[in-house]
Amino acid sequence: NAGVTQTPKFRVLKTGQSMTLLCAQDMNHEYMYWYRQDPGMGLRLIHYSVGEGTTAKGEVPDGYNVSRLKKQNFLLGLESAAPSQTSVYFCASSYSRSPEETQYFGPGTRLLVL
Amino acid sequence: SQKIEQNSEALNIQEGKTATLTCNYTNYSPAYLQWYRQDPGRGPVFLLLIRENEKEKRKERLKVTFDTTLKQSLFHITASQPADSATYLCAPRVYISGTYKYIFGTGTRLKVLA
Repeated sequence: NAGVTQTPKFRVLKTGQSMTLLCAQDMNHEYMYWYRQDPGMGLRLIHYSVGEGTTAKGEVPDGYNVSRLKKQNFLLGLESAAPSQTSVYFCASSYSRSPEETQYFGPGTRLLVL
Repeated sequence: SQKIEQNSEALNIQEGKTATLTCNYTNYSPAYLQWYRQDPGRGPVFLLLIRENEKEKRKERLKVTFDTTLKQSLFHITASQPADSATYLCAPRVYISGTYKYIFGTGTRLKVLA
């Protein structure tokens, strides 16, 4: 049981390049989330999904797209990377949106946009 | 402002003492609040959930309080150990943009000195 895994662990992009971050979970969780974490800003929700085939915007969705084609995977895309997207990205999952449900986080992807 | 305030300065305490971390959520009235631990280079890990009617919750050496009047949660680690050194994040569950979400504070870095 690997929990939540993220690929890649680290990436350097040039401004304007695109990339996709992959999140996978093996806990059969319905809900998945993408956050970014920046110094002094805390974790901010980018997009989330309440089930296979669904996505919704979070707090800071601009410049990102997501897809949830399979229940276990949640992809985060950057179509045209900008230096402001330099951050650490965390994926998380939870079984439900119950208020008592905890989120399980992946190890993070460090992205540097030059 | 969607700001959850935690002391941004690191907290250094001596091993064996009690560490107390503060989380202020002035603009919200959450019914649930979670605390997470985050080690360097890793994703957050859930520690405790407290409900608004609980006032206090304990788990081993951890204790969390929930003061709905002061709009503050305190996180205590008794008999602290160097292994407790980490960043601790609070996350109240708030109603934003038509849905409930857990939003995260910036975290407080705790260092327990041997």
